Amino acid sequence: GQSLEQPSEVTAVEGAIVQINCTYQTSGFYGLSWYQQHDGGAPTFLSYNGLDGLEETGRFSSFLSRSDSYGYLLLQELQMKDSASYFCAPTAKYNFNKFYFGSGTKLNVKP
Amino acid sequence: KAGVTQTPRYLIKTRGQQVTLSCSPISGHRSVSWYQQTPGQGLQFLFEYFSETQRNKGNFPGRFSGRQFSNSRSEMNVSTLELGDSALYLCASSLSFGTGGPNTGELFFGEGSRLTVL
Repeated sequence: GQSLEQPSEVTAVEGAIVQINCTYQTSGFYGLSWYQQHDGGAPTFLSYNGLDGLEETGRFSSFLSRSDSYGYLLLQELQMKDSASYFCAPTAKYNFNKFYFGSGTKLNVKP
Repeated sequence: KAGVTQTPRYLIKTRGQQVTLSCSPISGHRSVSWYQQTPGQGLQFLFEYFSETQRNKGNFPGRFSGRQFSNSRSEMNVSTLELGDSALYLCASSLSFGTGGPNTGELFFGEGSRLTVL
């Protein structure tokens, strides 16, 4: 089976830190990706976690706990341009390139 | 390096008609996936093609079909359009090594084809 939970909307102020949580139920779980999508734009890849722990890419970090079926995206030093929708997308073993996106989390960054 | 190109970008159809959308992946990418994006359902996986073969399929009715050509370009077709088919259809390409296991995360999306069904 497959289920995915993310908050629908998060609001934060410029310069702050925000964490977007993702819990999943994915048969044969393999890894967790994160994507960003600005209004009217295409989703763009942010990060991938195949192993437990933290992956850091500049201001963005992503965490995975396979035992808890949980991950999060951490955005630091928020900027106005970070206002966008963020999607976690688990993949399963041997379902090549079948990514399970959900409805995503809309992040609103306020001045 | 050119990105993923989708055509047409916008189109309007009426119920009962059919539509064909096209996707040209990044050069060298052999995997092409299609997603439907709606405000209510988010991004939903339609199908994925690799080397002209459908490897994965989402939970959509048979009205939704696709194919991939030998140059990796892909098309998807929706027949007997319904109002609920109005959506942004996104194509994504990736480097996929076939039998090597799932892609480790990076899909490259096109700008999408926005379909409105009246």
